[in-house]
Amino acid sequence: DGGITQSPKYLFRKEGQNVTLSCEQNLNHDAMYWYRQDPGQGLRLIYYSQIVNDFQKGDIAEGYSVSREKKESFPLTVTSAQKNPTAFYLCASSIAPPDVFGTEAFFGQGTRLTVV
Amino acid sequence: AQSVTQPDIHITVSEGASLELRCNYSYGATPYLFWYVQSPGQGLQLLLKYFSGDTLVQGIKGFEAEFKRSQSSFNLRKPSVHWSDAAEYFCAVGADFGNEKLTFGTGTRLTIIP
Repeated sequence: DGGITQSPKYLFRKEGQNVTLSCEQNLNHDAMYWYRQDPGQGLRLIYYSQIVNDFQKGDIAEGYSVSREKKESFPLTVTSAQKNPTAFYLCASSIAPPDVFGTEAFFGQGTRLTVV
Repeated sequence: AQSVTQPDIHITVSEGASLELRCNYSYGATPYLFWYVQSPGQGLQLLLKYFSGDTLVQGIKGFEAEFKRSQSSFNLRKPSVHWSDAAEYFCAVGADFGNEKLTFGTGTRLTIIP
C-alpha cells in the first residue's frame, strides 16, 4: 500500500537532547512538508521541500533542521535550541505544490514528542 | 499573505442533525480551498477541495462545501451527521502563482451527541 510512514508514534526526549523524527513516503511525491500541531493553533509549517537536496523554511523553522537526500525521505531534527518542542508533528507529501491546480497533501499518522 | 479563519472552536450536534462548519479565507485572487478531517491522535484526511469550476463541491463521507467568493467563505456541510463524524475539521487555503504551501485554520472540534 502506498502512503506516508512516520516513526516513532511516540517519542520522549530529555531537555537538551536533539531528536530526529522519521518520515518516509512511497507515493513518488516530489513535495514533502513538516507541520507542528498544538492545541488550538492548527497546523504550522516548519519546513518544506519541493525537490531532492532542496528545502525551505516555513513559518516556525527556528530550532529545527531537515535534510532531503532521497526523494522518499524527509527527516526532521528537533534540536536543543527549540524552546518548546513538546507537540504533535505531522509529515505530509504531495505530487506537486498546492499552486499546481490545487494539488492536495497526504498526511502521515504523526509523531507525538514529549520533552521530559 | 493568505490566511484562513475558522470562527467556531467547538460545535456540538445531535446525531442525525445537519451540520455546517464555517471557514473564511483572505486572499486577493481565486484561492485553492481544502477541508481535512482528523481523528484523535491521527493524521489528516482530505474530505474535499475546490480549485475551479462548480462552486459546490462534493466530497467523501457525504460532505459538501460551497465556495462563495462574495463572502470569502468555504463552509462545510453535511445533511445528517453520524457518530463517526466526531473529529476535528481543518480548512486550508492555497494560492496560485508560485505559492508553495498551504495555510491551515485553527480547526473546529465536532462532538456528536446521541
